[in-house]
Amino acid sequence: DVKVTQSSRYLVKRTGEKVFLECVQDMDHENMFWYRQDPGLGLRLIYFSYDVKMKEKGDIPEGYSVSREKKERFSLILESASTNQTSMYLCASTRDKKEKLFFGSGTQLSVL
Amino acid sequence: GEDVEQSLFLSVREGDSSVINCTYTDSSSTYLYWYKQEPGAGLQLLTYIFSNMDMKQDQRLTVLLNKKDKHLSLRIADTQTGDSAIYFCAERGSGGATNKLIFGTGTLLAVQP
Repeated sequence: DVKVTQSSRYLVKRTGEKVFLECVQDMDHENMFWYRQDPGLGLRLIYFSYDVKMKEKGDIPEGYSVSREKKERFSLILESASTNQTSMYLCASTRDKKEKLFFGSGTQLSVL
Repeated sequence: GEDVEQSLFLSVREGDSSVINCTYTDSSSTYLYWYKQEPGAGLQLLTYIFSNMDMKQDQRLTVLLNKKDKHLSLRIADTQTGDSAIYFCAERGSGGATNKLIFGTGTLLAVQP
């Protein structure tokens, strides 16, 4: 089975800190995604990547950046965390753009 | 822009059928999906339907698609307590390089014993 692993299940950070959320997939998928999930808003796409060193903005990229130096790893970076970035962050991957998404189990980030 | 809407909450008794509804706005959607999220977990694909189909059945799950009204539903027969979860509807458009899925807000299904 495909495994998408997010390095932390829970994170607590302070306002202004730089935060790294890591995601690794083990099935050689080209496509990787970062979503945030908020109650009543569903999942919103932050950034995605189709290949190494390639990235594209999703619907809500402001305040975030990403890094894809290796095919299996897609990192989400909060340059200066703010309280409105408190959320559940979900990473996903897929082999090609017509296939289903495989999700990690999420990172619940709290910014105090 | 594209939008996908769901009701936020549904409560049913164990053994009853559950129907979760979803409406979407993108008439060019090619695939529509139902994902399930159990507590503390990521999303898992339950089932999907291609836009040229009206219905798809998979064991206890029945997906109905009314393309004219842009309405999708998921029926769970003989609902069990293990079906308690958040259910997300998602749609994928037809064109471009994007693989972007547009997700609904999610419906929390609570199954009462």
